[in-house]
Amino acid sequence: DSGVTQTPKHLITATGQRVTLRCSPRSGDLSVYWYQQSLDQGLQFLIQYYNGEERAKGNILERFSAQQFPDLHSELNLSSLELGDSALYFCASSSAGTGVSYEQYFGPGTRLTVT
Amino acid sequence: AQSVTQPDIHITVSEGASLELRCNYSYGATPYLFWYVQSPGQGLQLLLKYFSGDTLVQGIKGFEAEFKRSQSSFNLRKPSVHWSDAAEYFCAVGPYSGGGADGLTFGKGTHLIIQP
Repeated sequence: DSGVTQTPKHLITATGQRVTLRCSPRSGDLSVYWYQQSLDQGLQFLIQYYNGEERAKGNILERFSAQQFPDLHSELNLSSLELGDSALYFCASSSAGTGVSYEQYFGPGTRLTVT
Repeated sequence: AQSVTQPDIHITVSEGASLELRCNYSYGATPYLFWYVQSPGQGLQLLLKYFSGDTLVQGIKGFEAEFKRSQSSFNLRKPSVHWSDAAEYFCAVGPYSGGGADGLTFGKGTHLIIQP
């Protein structure tokens, strides 16, 4: 158990819909990262938040957005869903900050199926 | 931009035999390097990491990896595999910009099959 929790575990929805994935980082970690894992694209970094602020963006679509709340949990919002958005979405956390270790710890993931 | 190549999509090893999974990276400076393992239906578990210093790093579950700058490689090894090692293994590189401010770049993964 990494200490990172994600809900829900599975999500099935229809095209055009909007969903919200939730992540709680490990106790004390200030950074949250979101990744997408799909068969064709592999594991891709989407976005990072550090202590409530957006820190870095990867291959995140404009239809997707995220935020990190004062209690440090994060939500990934996916809208206007397409079949191709079906994937496993991981959240990871780290204590990333100047002078501290950089390893990221991953949650169990949310499997999104768009029908 | 950084990239990671895992040249072997599948590897089959007999139980008790030694294992080496290959990883090559492309990055302008000395990167942070990681190996993660993913069992079916599970998240990614960190096996080991290299930041600096000794180029041979030890990880969990009896795994080790060696950083070779001249070959831009970070191969994962285990002297004797167990059936429970069957999983997907991912090599990843992460830049350090003074604050860990970027996500990891992953290879496509190597699927390890253990033969009895």
